[in-house]
Amino acid sequence: QVQLVQSGAEVKKPEASVKVSCEASGYTLSDHYLHWMRQAPGQGLEWMGWINPDSGGTNYAQRFQGRVTMTRDTSINTAYVELSSLKFDDTAVYYCAREVNFGPGKGMDVWGQGTTVTVSS
Amino acid sequence: EIVLTQSPGTLSLSPEERATLSCRASQSLSTTYVAWYQQKPGQAPRLLMYGTSSRATGIPDRFSGSGSGTDFTLTISRLEPEDSAVYYCHQYASAPNTFGLGTRLEIK
Repeated sequence: QVQLVQSGAEVKKPEASVKVSCEASGYTLSDHYLHWMRQAPGQGLEWMGWINPDSGGTNYAQRFQGRVTMTRDTSINTAYVELSSLKFDDTAVYYCAREVNFGPGKGMDVWGQGTTVTVSS
Repeated sequence: EIVLTQSPGTLSLSPEERATLSCRASQSLSTTYVAWYQQKPGQAPRLLMYGTSSRATGIPDRFSGSGSGTDFTLTISRLEPEDSAVYYCHQYASAPNTFGLGTRLEIK
């Protein structure tokens, strides 16, 4: 079945970087835009950006500009998000999600299980 | 950045009742670019509605969406215990994509 499987939990120190992977199965990664969101403990969803896995083109939320990099490796159907210069408030669950254009609208119909990133000294 | 304001923050209703969840945008949105998600504790969000009023695959017809301009609504009729969750509206009409802060629905 169609699914996105993310890498495991990470614990990082402030100012370090973290790279989270998202492997697509049951479909070809290149066929759909992939979005990254995060959710701090007890908080709502925050959109970080998207990658077009076909072209490699990206669009990042302004607040992450300069700190986030989204990439993909189509040979292994996997996308990545890397966040640098980590701060304590980057502690969150990070999600990848597939975007589908249904015609009358778009939506993120398949989500990864989430990756917990903890920033701690 | 378009701000989405969801109300109420928390809604507590009994089974079989109807829930009405509101999402107000700071700017007018095309109905094409509004979606709703359901999130249960410890789980990833789940797509409920796209294009304001179209149900995603597998979503029961108890869920319906409506709205235009700056006001959008998710209605859940005949509530069931499994509907207990946080519901988020989402817009992608204008970068950056934004989500509302969510409405927590509790089933008594």
